[in-house]
Amino acid sequence: RKEVEQDPGPFNVPEGATVAFNCTYSNSASQSFFWYRQDCRKEPKLLMSVYSSGNEDGRFTAQLNRASQYISLLIRDSKLSDSATYLCVVNRDDKIIFGKGTRLHILP
Amino acid sequence: DAGVTQSPTHLIKTRGQQVTLRCSPKSGHDTVSWYQQALGQGPQFIFQYYEEEERQRGNFPDRFSGHQFPNYSSELNVNALLLGDSALYLCASSLDRPVSETQYFGPGTRLLVL
Repeated sequence: RKEVEQDPGPFNVPEGATVAFNCTYSNSASQSFFWYRQDCRKEPKLLMSVYSSGNEDGRFTAQLNRASQYISLLIRDSKLSDSATYLCVVNRDDKIIFGKGTRLHILP
Repeated sequence: DAGVTQSPTHLIKTRGQQVTLRCSPKSGHDTVSWYQQALGQGPQFIFQYYEEEERQRGNFPDRFSGHQFPNYSSELNVNALLLGDSALYLCASSLDRPVSETQYFGPGTRLLVL
């Protein structure tokens, strides 16, 4: 079993829809959590950090449940420019562990 | 403020050869991590350098080695290249602390092994 698991995707959703990404991690010693976005043939870029209290940045909401070892990302009112691969990332003892990523296609 | 830079952008090698990839961290950052990203996969952690020493290492063989220089720049060396080493190699820089400090990635080096 991989240490960070994500929905396999791809997700094909119409513009304006709400999209939810799920991620689970297996090591309870994990210390910090992030969502990264990666456009085709580009490097990953930080989308947002994830906190237990939940955090919101415009149309994006991230949530962490330490008891369930579960991380989520919600995108509301999706735009064509949201099309990308979304990577769930966990920091455990200074090792940064990426999930495989979930590809999102926003359809016009 | 320059971000993370990597060189070269693309590289073609043959099996058995050796390759050196280079990375300059974002200004003010002292920690450099290297990742291998195969097509369709998430980045896989190779190792991390801090204070010119390898601090953490992922599940990669000894053919993968690195170095960090006093100016915090770093090199990744891969010996005895295999076809399976073909991938995008990403360098990321960060501050040593706090542990939640985010990483900034360079554009990567695309390595093709024939």
